[in-house]
Amino acid sequence: DAGVIQSPRHEVTEMGQEVTLRCKPISGHDYLFWYRQTMMRGLELLIYFNNNVPIDDSGMPEDRFSAKMPNASFSTLKIQPSEPRDSAVYFCASSLAGGTGANVLTFGAGSRLTVL
Amino acid sequence: GQSLEQPSEVTAVEGAIVQINCTYQTSGFYGLSWYQQHDGGAPTFLSYNALDGLEETGRFSSFLSRSDSYGYLLLQELQMKDSASYFCAVRDRADSWGKFQFGAGTQVVVTP
Repeated sequence: DAGVIQSPRHEVTEMGQEVTLRCKPISGHDYLFWYRQTMMRGLELLIYFNNNVPIDDSGMPEDRFSAKMPNASFSTLKIQPSEPRDSAVYFCASSLAGGTGANVLTFGAGSRLTVL
Repeated sequence: GQSLEQPSEVTAVEGAIVQINCTYQTSGFYGLSWYQQHDGGAPTFLSYNALDGLEETGRFSSFLSRSDSYGYLLLQELQMKDSASYFCAVRDRADSWGKFQFGAGTQVVVTP
């Protein structure tokens, strides 16, 4: 398996623009997570899905952020409009639901977002 | 809510042993995980403890004491490639099954 695949790896955009980050989880994984990492706030859980259904979005900072998972192999995190304070590395991760695999998060390489 | 505390930085020489402590406060508790992250890279899974005791995986070991809400990661025979950030993470049983929260991370610096 190619692991968790994220795109784009780097994105530089101007304030006010829409940003869409994409994630393909490991095939067969039941859970998908979106995390944001900054020096100031560390790794923050934004939202996670179980079997394509959003379970907890309490970490989503505000209405400018939205996430979808239309099928088991694809998820998006959208920021509209983007602001400079959204600059961070956004990680997608996936895991199994049961067995020892349920205790292991596999992370993608991350999408580094810079909002000017 | 949840909180996890771990030291911000630890420095040691090659070949030494380093222990990274993690204390946690959660409304429920299911297990403690450890992840390693090199600069510019993604976090990668190291270990998971659900029960009290020591789990050993090669040069790395992880320990958990549920009664003390405490765990540690032990790095033995340090190598330069072990220079990285190490995060503890908890799964809070009171929340939904899948929810993992991460500590702020400990930067381990290995010197020659």
